[in-house]
Amino acid sequence: SYELTQTPSVSVSPGQTARITCSGDALPKQYVYWYQKKPGQAPVLVMYKDDERPSGIPERFSGSSSGTIATLTISGVQAEDEADYYCQSADNTDNYYVFGTGTKVTV
Amino acid sequence: QLQLQESGPGLVKASETLSLTCTVSGDSIGNKGYYWAWVRQSPGKGLEWVGSVYSSGTTHYNPSLKSRLTLFVDTAKNKISLNVRSVTAADTGVYFCARPAESLRPLEWAPYGFDVWGHGTKVTVSS
Repeated sequence: SYELTQTPSVSVSPGQTARITCSGDALPKQYVYWYQKKPGQAPVLVMYKDDERPSGIPERFSGSSSGTIATLTISGVQAEDEADYYCQSADNTDNYYVFGTGTKVTV
Repeated sequence: QLQLQESGPGLVKASETLSLTCTVSGDSIGNKGYYWAWVRQSPGKGLEWVGSVYSSGTTHYNPSLKSRLTLFVDTAKNKISLNVRSVTAADTGVYFCARPAESLRPLEWAPYGFDVWGHGTKVTVSS
């Protein structure tokens, strides 16, 4: 089955930049979405269609996608950004949802 | 404001059927064509798309669950429901109801990201 691979963990100091990558063979043809997931809470959509920031999401969150790799960047990381982050896209066969393996961001 | 609220038994015995409901408030399921979805997270693991159901009843299921899964909508009660048959310990987790950010016409399909989520309901499968 199709997989989206993420780095398991990223550790950054407050004020630094965190970059989270998502790798998948279908990404050149599929949009990527990013979610922030904190324990006991529902996921929050932080990036839409590769690089669109939903209303209410801080400007320090940005996204990009090139070839088979998509990147979520958090500039000027704050303590409240500590969470698990998941990319989401789709395969090219059924066009069904696929979530990435997740990245734990520690601040 | 659109709100989603999952409900169902917190404990299900192995081999039985898990039934969950998502109650939608703040909008009518039948007003626009959305694919209402279920996403789950097993303990210590990542997010997994379970399946999606259109306001008309059209469904798309995760291939790994397709043989055991049924999703349906009740537009009169503004609810989306899930049944997973023959559950095992692997079905333990938190189940979220979610709505994608964009609507679709009937017979269209696109895996748009989810911008509205319920708080989730925890399900444990016991042996």
